[in-house]
This record gives sequence, C-alpha cells and structure tokens, in this order.
Amino acid sequence: AQTVTQSQPEMSVQEAETVTLSCTYDTSESDYYLFWYKQPPSRQMILVIRQEAYKQQNATENRFSVNFQKAAKSFSLKISDSQLGDAAMYFCAYRTQNSGNTPLVFGKGTRLSVIA
Amino acid sequence: DTGVSQDPRHKITKRGQNVTFRCDPISEHNRLYWYRQTLGQGPEFLTYFQNEAQLEKSRLLSDRFSAERPKGSFSTLEIQRTEQGDSAMYLCASSSVAEGLREQFFGPGTRLTVL
Repeated sequence: AQTVTQSQPEMSVQEAETVTLSCTYDTSESDYYLFWYKQPPSRQMILVIRQEAYKQQNATENRFSVNFQKAAKSFSLKISDSQLGDAAMYFCAYRTQNSGNTPLVFGKGTRLSVIA
Repeated sequence: DTGVSQDPRHKITKRGQNVTFRCDPISEHNRLYWYRQTLGQGPEFLTYFQNEAQLEKSRLLSDRFSAERPKGSFSTLEIQRTEQGDSAMYLCASSSVAEGLREQFFGPGTRLTVL
C-alpha cells in the first residue's frame, strides 16, 4: 500500500519570505500523481499544485513550486513571497495512475503559520 | 455556487443514534468520494462511487457505515449506532473521469460530534 509522510507537523515563515514543506512517499508503482492541497481554517480543501510522475520538469503555479525527486520519492512544496493568506494546513497526497480517478492517499499535514 | 456542497455542516448526536450526511457533487461529475478526517490527521479514504456504482470501500468503513448514490448524483453517508470514535470531519469530493488529471474537488465537510 502507498504511504505519504509529512515529517513537519508545524512550520512558520515570515511574511514575504520563502518556506519549503517536505513530503516523502512510498510506492512500488512507476506511474502516479502527486498533489499538494491547502486547507485553511474552517474552510474547504483546495488544490495548490500537482505533478505527474512521468514528467521530469517540476510543476510551478505562481508563487508555488515543487521539487520532485522521483528516485528519492520526495515531493517538497516551496512557497515564495509568503502571504498571510497562505496560513493553513498543507497536505501532500498521492494517487495511482490507473483507469479512472482513484482515491487520494494523504499525509498527516503540515500546519503553516505566516508571521506578519 | 457550483462547487461540492455538504449538509449539514455540523452535527452533534448522542452515542447510539443514527446520523445521515448528504453530499451534492459538482454537476455532471461522475466520481464521488467520501473521506474521514480526524483531528490532527490527513483525510482517510472511506468509499467512492462512479455514477451509482460503489466501486471500493475502505476497511475503515465498518458495518455501521453505509453509503449510497442512488441516481448517480447526490450521495448519502449513514452511520448507525454512532460511537464516540466516529467523531470526525466527513469530507466529500467529486471528479470527472473525462477531465485531464481528474482533480478531486472537495466540499466543506460535515463535522460530527458524538457525545
């Protein structure tokens, strides 16, 4: 079974600075997707960024980028120019790439605080 | 609002009572998922549907839990004889098999408290 590990329960960053959230995963599959989801306090979970395992190029979405190391099974999220609105729980998630859209496997999350 | 909706948002019940939650997915999304999230944990998969067919159930889904999606649109999750360990946030998500990477869109969740 696939597992996702987020080793940082809490992180903090100064506003406008850069922070990196770590994620490792375990799988025997070669084709899969990886995601970072953001869950603000009392609000619903939204997708931040996604990465297909077959793509060597790291995904980027505005201030958010990933460092995908397939051999090391590592998938970290970098948030640049941090803003107060970035404060949230961040979850790393894995999904196998088979037919259809299978359930996500989540890590335990990292709570990010942004200090003004 | 065309996102995933869930009802109720909060439910407080006494141990032993039955509760039912509803999820309305994004229109025309044929996949619907239920996850459970306990305090300090990430969401854990419970079950999912493609249209009205229930394709997979997690081992977390005990016999007291049942989910339906009778017409392939909204879904209900029922918990019978609730226990304090059932207290959690129940999340629903939907996706379309037809869309690219088939992103899952999440609802706001139903927070269940069992006294």
